[in-house]
Amino acid sequence: DTAVSQTPKYLVTQMGNDKSIKCEQNLGHDTMYWYKQDSKKFLKIMFSYNNKELIINETVPNRFSPKSPDKAHLNLHINSLELGDSAVYFCASSHPQGPYNEQFFGPGTRLTVL
Amino acid sequence: QQPVQSPQAVILREGEDAVINCSSSKALYSVHWYRQKHGEAPVFLMILLKGGEQKGHEKISASFNEKKQQSSLYLTASQLSYSGTYFCGTEYGTSYGKLTFGQGTILTVHP
Repeated sequence: DTAVSQTPKYLVTQMGNDKSIKCEQNLGHDTMYWYKQDSKKFLKIMFSYNNKELIINETVPNRFSPKSPDKAHLNLHINSLELGDSAVYFCASSHPQGPYNEQFFGPGTRLTVL
Repeated sequence: QQPVQSPQAVILREGEDAVINCSSSKALYSVHWYRQKHGEAPVFLMILLKGGEQKGHEKISASFNEKKQQSSLYLTASQLSYSGTYFCGTEYGTSYGKLTFGQGTILTVHP
């Protein structure tokens, strides 16, 4: 199936640990994003890569580090996890066609920090 | 700055209509609309551009008022499957798809 996929779907970990979330898209898109959705459903962009180049870097603690090994993959590594990092993290991708750049979201990774 | 959606919640019976609004205090380049069902990912519904172009699903309609910096999503003859949280995402200038999302509108459709 063509889609944006993320692993893992659920992640439960202790404060202070380091964890990674992986994202892959096989839609042929060249732009990928990480979003954080908090418990109040507020959806906020964190990072974006275009063809492996970081193009959006919002005000996010530097414990969060994205990496894009190629344009089909975008990973998110989080160091020294804190309680406030608990949220659902969505990966998305888009391929601007003319002026349109609708984004396609992955299923999300629910991170719970204990 | 986050766009403001109204209403915060809507309850409908099947077949009824609803309008969801999204207002910005800054000049908009585009407005995106997404629907998110509980426990699922947001799904693209429509994109509206400054200047009038738009692209989206056939059964969804929306408008973009450039003077008011406001977009409205029209849901007509609602179905049970329309239930979910609707988000508008706004883009200010050509910003590589950097969307600022509103707080969401919860739509519940009852039989």
